[in-house]
Amino acid sequence: EAEVAQSPRYKITEKSQAVAFWCDPISGHATLYWYRQILGQGPELLVQFQDESVVDDSQLPKDRFSAERLKGVDSTLKIQPAELGDSAMYLCASSLVMGETQYFGPGTRLLVL
Amino acid sequence: DAKTTQPNSMESNEEEPVHLPCNHSTISGTDYIHWYRQLPSQGPEYVIHGLTSNVNNRMASLAIAEDRKSSTLILHRATLRDAAVYYCILRGNSGNTPLVFGKGTRLSVIA
Repeated sequence: EAEVAQSPRYKITEKSQAVAFWCDPISGHATLYWYRQILGQGPELLVQFQDESVVDDSQLPKDRFSAERLKGVDSTLKIQPAELGDSAMYLCASSLVMGETQYFGPGTRLLVL
Repeated sequence: DAKTTQPNSMESNEEEPVHLPCNHSTISGTDYIHWYRQLPSQGPEYVIHGLTSNVNNRMASLAIAEDRKSSTLILHRATLRDAAVYYCILRGNSGNTPLVFGKGTRLSVIA
């Protein structure tokens, strides 16, 4: 069964450092999502791509966060510089088309010290 | 976005049915009711969704009230593997409408 892949699974960094997360969606899925999940809360959408284009990044803190999906396949989410409050789980999801069922990856757990 | 209200936690005995409630009194006529669940240390996974009629699939059943202001996710025989956080989400029928997760219901299953 096809799955969404994410790496790394865990990342520990110091504040002010740069971190990057990678996501490979299910093959053929046009829509890709990045979510952030703080412990004890539900996931919160950061950015949504349709192919290589950003559809919604209204909740992305653009002063320090950036996301790209250059060839419309895999995607990278970057934080620079990381802050203590960025400690969270970062989840990637994909769907065949917008509005369809989303399939989530296992997430990257980030700890900022 | 329309809001949902779920109990913070529920407990069930293994092999017994579980009814997870969700209130959504401000639901609009075009909102679908989606359920996702998140097992420990995993990303969320889709469970079921519906609009007006009750729905069944291999994982669960979804019972929707006639006025659509509430719904219930039914797990027919809970297993230890069903221990998870269950999210009830309203989503409009526009393709661009995002999933907005609340805190969900944490289901514990006792052997």
